[in-house]
This record gives sequence, C-alpha cells and structure tokens, in this order.
Amino acid sequence: QVQLQESGPGLLKPSETLSLTCAVSGSSIRSYHYWGWIRQPPGKGLEWIESIYHSGSSSYNPSLKSRVAISIDMSKNQFSLKLSSVTVADTAVYYCARHTGALVSDPFDLWGQGTMVTVSS
Amino acid sequence: QSVVSQPPSASGTPGQRVTISCSGTSSNIDNNYVSWYQQLPGTAPKLLIHRNDQRPSGVPDRFSASKSGTSASLAISGLRADDEADYFCAAWDDSLSGWVFGGGTKLTVL
Repeated sequence: QVQLQESGPGLLKPSETLSLTCAVSGSSIRSYHYWGWIRQPPGKGLEWIESIYHSGSSSYNPSLKSRVAISIDMSKNQFSLKLSSVTVADTAVYYCARHTGALVSDPFDLWGQGTMVTVSS
Repeated sequence: QSVVSQPPSASGTPGQRVTISCSGTSSNIDNNYVSWYQQLPGTAPKLLIHRNDQRPSGVPDRFSASKSGTSASLAISGLRADDEADYFCAAWDDSLSGWVFGGGTKLTVL
C-alpha cells in the first residue's frame, strides 16, 4: 500500500534552515496527486504549509511564503520542504500528506506518521 | 485564532449521538468542499469525510456530515470509547489561496 515517511533533523537552533524529506513508497510521485506539508505545534491545531504537483506547480501558505520552499525529486520518488530562519514558534510535528487528486484544493487522504521538530537554543 | 472555528470540546456517553460544528466564511466553507479529519491520540490525522458529506472507503456510516452556507457539522452516532479523539474540519480558502483548518474539537467519551 502507499506509504509516506518523513525524515530530517529533530533539533535545530534559531535562525537555521529546516530541511525535511517525504519518501513515497507504493506509488509513483508522478501520479495524479498533489503532495503537501502540514504541521502541528504541541497541543495545538493543524496548519497547512505548502503543496506541490509533479509538474512543479506549487502553492504556499501566505503566512509562511517568504520562508518556505518545496521541491520534488521524481528520481527518488520524494518531495522536500525547506523552512528558513526558524524560531521557537516553528516547533511542531511536521506531516507530509497526499492530496486526494490533482487539485491543490483536494483534501488530504494519506498522511505520514509525522516527525517532531524542535527549535531551541 | 483560526479562520475557521470549532468548539474546543465536546462529549457524550457510549451509544449517544454527538455533533461537532465548524464555522467559516464565504471564502472557504461556503464556496468550497469541507473535509473532516480524526486524530487519535499520538497519531497522524485520518481523513474521515470529504466533499462535505462523503465517507472514504472504510469509514463507518456512524460518521456523517453536512454543510449549509458558511457552516458545517460532523455527527457521530452510536458513540464508542475509541471515538475519543480530536476532530478537525478544513476547507480551501479562495481569499488566502490556501488550506484553512478549524482549531479542532476534543471529543471525550464519558
């Protein structure tokens, strides 16, 4: 079955750049789905970060747009998130997820298990 | 504060029917499909409802949802202990050009 697995550093210092990767298995990343990142600060709600299609078309949360970048690597069947100039407010569980279809407005039907990222000096 | 709002908590006893509301605006809920997610403790969210009222394969029909204007609601009938979780509504927002999630409702089964 299709699975998503996040990977990346669990601890960063303020002002560093967060880099996370989501490996997709059981399906081609070229399939008719957008792929995205969502985060959840401890004890709080969900916040969508960004999403990308294999064509390279992408969409970003306006509140994070100046600090985020998303990319897709079809040779490795994975996509990645970069978040620059992190602060303690970026401490959260980061999830990668698959949209149900080829529209960024399609909901998220498959989620990774999530990876905890802590920003601390 | 979330663009889309939900009550922070809800509760019910086993077998009861509970509803969780979700209130948004014309740029999100009124104009776009609503989806609902269930997040069991310590796990990733799971898609429970999409396209306002459609259940993905494998979701029991105890879960139902509806939408009217800028509001949506999720209903859980025949409440079970393992329904205890956080529930989030979500919709695409045309003004923000992005996804907005409700703040989440913690459901307690008494």
